[in-house]
Amino acid sequence: DAMVIQNPRYQVTQFGKPVTLSCSQTLNHNVMYWYQQKSSQAPKLLFHYYDKDFNNEADTPDNFQSRRPNTSFCFLDIRSPGLGDAAMYLCATSRGGGTVNTEAFFGQGTRLTVV
Amino acid sequence: AQSVAQPEDQVNVAEGNPLTVKCTYSVSGNPYLFWYVQYPNRGLQFLLKYITGDNLVKGSYGFEAEFNKSQTSFHLKKPSALVSDSALYFCAVRDIKTKAAGNKLTFGGGTRVLVKP
Repeated sequence: DAMVIQNPRYQVTQFGKPVTLSCSQTLNHNVMYWYQQKSSQAPKLLFHYYDKDFNNEADTPDNFQSRRPNTSFCFLDIRSPGLGDAAMYLCATSRGGGTVNTEAFFGQGTRLTVV
Repeated sequence: AQSVAQPEDQVNVAEGNPLTVKCTYSVSGNPYLFWYVQYPNRGLQFLLKYITGDNLVKGSYGFEAEFNKSQTSFHLKKPSALVSDSALYFCAVRDIKTKAAGNKLTFGGGTRVLVKP
């Protein structure tokens, strides 16, 4: 059974039109992450939540926002998508609380196309 | 700051031959190391991890990895590669200094493995 679910799998949006990607988890993990991955490059961390505590990466553009209304759900909002934002967006979860030896669990990703 | 390097962009191997994917790391404290595999248009799948203990770690799908502290390496290995092992492989290191023990992973650049029949 899927434990980290991302919807939709493929998203096409217009240049400048706000878009929201969603992620849900059944693992009850404290930590949820959003990564951006371009052209089979290494995933780049955008931000993560530790419970309700939001942690933004220093180089994440303001155009990217996130919401975590409860433990199970996390959203990635792109306020004004540009052509350069076309990428695979990966959601992941992991336990927190000092359990640094645990692996992260990834969803299948959402491939975003900007036209 | 933690970092990971995967020196090979691509590894080609014949089916049935041994497969090695290289990874070196740099951390200030104890390393927590992971390998993930990614198939086309899919998320990352966890293969194995090294936290402490035996230097040889066994993981999913017949993969194993050898931790070498003196060489700061964590190479992924499989004794006999399959065509279905063709994928993108990422080595990652845990950032243990993250606030509230958040589990940020720093990834290497990835190595594409192509197993030919």
